[in-house]
Amino acid sequence: QKEVEQDPGPLSVPEGAIVSLNCTYSNSAFQYFMWYRQYSRKGPELLMYTYSSGNKEDGRFTAQVDKSSKYISLFIRDSQPSDSATYLCAMSDDKIIFGKGTRLHILP
Amino acid sequence: ETGVTQTPRHLVMGMTNKKSLKCEQHLGHNAMYWYKQSAKKPLELMFVYSLEERVENNSVPSRFSPECPNSSHLFLHLHTLQPEDSALYLCASSQASDEQFFGPGTRLTVL
Repeated sequence: QKEVEQDPGPLSVPEGAIVSLNCTYSNSAFQYFMWYRQYSRKGPELLMYTYSSGNKEDGRFTAQVDKSSKYISLFIRDSQPSDSATYLCAMSDDKIIFGKGTRLHILP
Repeated sequence: ETGVTQTPRHLVMGMTNKKSLKCEQHLGHNAMYWYKQSAKKPLELMFVYSLEERVENNSVPSRFSPECPNSSHLFLHLHTLQPEDSALYLCASSQASDEQFFGPGTRLTVL
């Protein structure tokens, strides 16, 4: 089993919809959980960063971590065409492991 | 400039060439990283430098040679690369924990 699993998509949703992006993982030692957004031909930029279980909200973005299920989610409310990008989950204990990324298309 | 910068942004090289990638961070961080991003693969960690010492080398071929002369600069020296080394090479830096900040990357094509 891979350490981090993430559906590569692509995921296409209409503008204004709520987007749900998810990752599962196998290593129960992970303590830090991150979501990165990567636009085409750009490096990843950190969107959300959480420690241990729980929710974190920042504007239209909400990150959820469920350590008991080894499952993390990123929700995007009121999605915009400018949200179209690849979203990478990442998690770490003493080293960082990334998912493959989910390509998201927001349709105008 | 602010954040993490990388030069060049694009590089095309032959298999016999020698080139170097440069990364500079303006965030006062004390750790720097090289990643490789190939199509349809997760980001692969290549090297980690903490306080200018290499602390991780993830079985990277010797044709990739990192150098960290100070806490703000990181280089990746390339020689006799293979076409399968074509990828986006990303530099990142961090201070505390694992919150890494990435540069824009260098798109490398090996002919």
